[in-house]
Amino acid sequence: GAVVSQHPSWVICKSGTSVKIECRSLDFQATTMFWYRQFPKQSLMLMATSNEGSKATYEQGVEKDKFLINHASLTLSTLTVTSAHPEDSSFYICSARDSGRGNTDTQYFGPGTRLTVL
Amino acid sequence: AQKVTQAQTEISVVEKEDVTLDCVYETRDTTYYLFWYKQPPSGELVFLIRRNSFDEQNEISGRYSWNFQKSTSSFNFTITASQVVDSAVYFCALSEYNTDKLIFGTGTRLQVFP
Repeated sequence: GAVVSQHPSWVICKSGTSVKIECRSLDFQATTMFWYRQFPKQSLMLMATSNEGSKATYEQGVEKDKFLINHASLTLSTLTVTSAHPEDSSFYICSARDSGRGNTDTQYFGPGTRLTVL
Repeated sequence: AQKVTQAQTEISVVEKEDVTLDCVYETRDTTYYLFWYKQPPSGELVFLIRRNSFDEQNEISGRYSWNFQKSTSSFNFTITASQVVDSAVYFCALSEYNTDKLIFGTGTRLQVFP
């Protein structure tokens, strides 16, 4: 149980294009999902908290117009990197928490998406 | 403020050695949760353990064991008889009761050589 998938697993795009990353909870419902960014050999940095049916909550320093988050259902959150630039190249990881277990339960992570912007 | 410190950046051991990964945390809350995750080269974070602040019992799961000591704000992780498959980056993380957020340490890269 507690499986989270991400799609795509990797993507290469040209500078200026937009890229959408999907995060799905496969065997549980998640009212809350999280998006993280990880640079090589560094820790995970929380970008935003995605709430089903409402606006995402962004961490300080994260541009909400650049990183669009949509959490349209209890099992799907999407992160769209708009007008991507080479500095957006990174490893993006989502996580989801089982709604049925309350807001203090464990976050389960997806396999990550490696974005390379040329 | 919340903070998680993993002072060991990288550890190398030979197979079958025991290894302990250190984690020290800071929080002002009395209710909080501590986690360990494993990140193998594939990149996916694998959940290992969750411990709440009221449960100081040490836990053992196979070759893995965890030592939680509130007096020293530490939550150390020991792998007994390490194996090559244990090679990964291990992250310790903290979550306070009144927040959704996970605060990660900087991770410890463990390399187990045959």
